Amino acid sequence: AAGVIQSPRHLIKEKRETATLKCYPIPRHDTVYWYQQGPGQDPQFLISFYEKMQSDKGSIPDRFSAQQFSDYHSELNMSSLELGDSALYFCASSQRTSMLEETQYFGPGTRLLVL
Amino acid sequence: EDQVTQSPEALRLQEGESSSLNCSYTVSGLRGLFWYRQDPGKGPEFLFTLYSAGEEKEKERLKATLTKKESFLHITAPKPEDSATYLCAVENQGAQKLVFGQGTRLTINP
Repeated sequence: AAGVIQSPRHLIKEKRETATLKCYPIPRHDTVYWYQQGPGQDPQFLISFYEKMQSDKGSIPDRFSAQQFSDYHSELNMSSLELGDSALYFCASSQRTSMLEETQYFGPGTRLLVL
Repeated sequence: EDQVTQSPEALRLQEGESSSLNCSYTVSGLRGLFWYRQDPGKGPEFLFTLYSAGEEKEKERLKATLTKKESFLHITAPKPEDSATYLCAVENQGAQKLVFGQGTRLTINP
């Protein structure tokens, strides 16, 4: 079965640089979520989109922005990177229009290292 | 504020030794409680969704149960390949996000 695709899988950036993470949801899924997971920590919710509109927002820094496109893929843009942004970034998707498929399925993650 | 607390933080078992992991939660309106398994450096892998108190779900050696205050993940006769971090998460009816617990790191020794 098709899964959530994230790219790139690994990314190394310098402080103050920008980064763009991409997420391709499972086909027919209409909702995309972004989570950040620091070392030894649980995933922390950043932001979600349903049908290309922002649906919920968590502790996402103002330096970060995200959007969902017409083909339902999503991009997380991160600017003025800081050392503390080094983490695993997960994208998840769900089919919110169906009560049977509200479960969020996670991608493999993008490991971001800021030097 | 929605909160999830998992215990124990870490659990070491011998192969075949059954046990339970606990997930206590407070949420104003529960849409669902989710269990995931996570291997190091990988994305959380979905295991179960529970929607209402009294509900139980089973998959191979795992069984999840739900009450109004907590959920248990029972593991029966575990094998070394069951070693992973098990994450519990809740979703509030008024939100579109998961709130995770800190996870239980499970190690099964052969």
